[in-house]
Amino acid sequence: QVDLVQSGTEVMTPGASVRVSCKSFGFSVSNYYIHWMRQAPGQGLEWMGVIFPSGGVTSYAQNFSGRVSLTRETSTSTVYMELRSLTSDDTAVYFCAREAPYTGYFDPWGQGTLVAVSS
Amino acid sequence: QSALTQPPSASGSPGQSVTISCTGTSSDVGGNYNFVSWYQQHPGKVPKVVIYGVTKRPSGVPDRFSGSQSGNTASLTISGLQAEDEADYYCCSYVDRSKYVFGSGTKVTVL
Repeated sequence: QVDLVQSGTEVMTPGASVRVSCKSFGFSVSNYYIHWMRQAPGQGLEWMGVIFPSGGVTSYAQNFSGRVSLTRETSTSTVYMELRSLTSDDTAVYFCAREAPYTGYFDPWGQGTLVAVSS
Repeated sequence: QSALTQPPSASGSPGQSVTISCTGTSSDVGGNYNFVSWYQQHPGKVPKVVIYGVTKRPSGVPDRFSGSQSGNTASLTISGLQAEDEADYYCCSYVDRSKYVFGSGTKVTVL
């Protein structure tokens, strides 16, 4: 069964960094694109970035350039999303999702990880 | 990259059809990438793909869901509306240089 399982809720203070993990089951992250999205409370979906199979190449949305990093650990088939210099505007549920190469859609999605930023 | 434009809400009675538009630019929806997808999200749940590649339907998605595109606007049509179709719907398009953008979202209400 193909699945993505994310790490649990994080409560952070402004200015800190957070790292969220996304572990694959039933497939290897070395063979698929893994995308990250977020959804602030009551708001829509926002695409953040993607990590590719080949050499861990990444692409990020302009809104996050310089503040987000995607990395992967092939031995555990896990992808990590790190977001730095957190503010209250970063409070959101963060999702990872798989894209089969050159298909242009995301399936499946992880269950989501709430990151709450508060002083 | 600005979000693609969707109407905030749409509604219909059971059995009726509802169409949701998703308007972008020649750099995304109208960019001939054929990478427009639609996602259904029930409250508190994970998004689920209902249309990909503009018109394709994943296995298991009812055939009452269909997609189309004209120029810079993509559309999702739900025919024979059912109570379980009440949800938020988001379009998503490939932009350029391996980036994507989502639509602003549409809340579909079954009257």
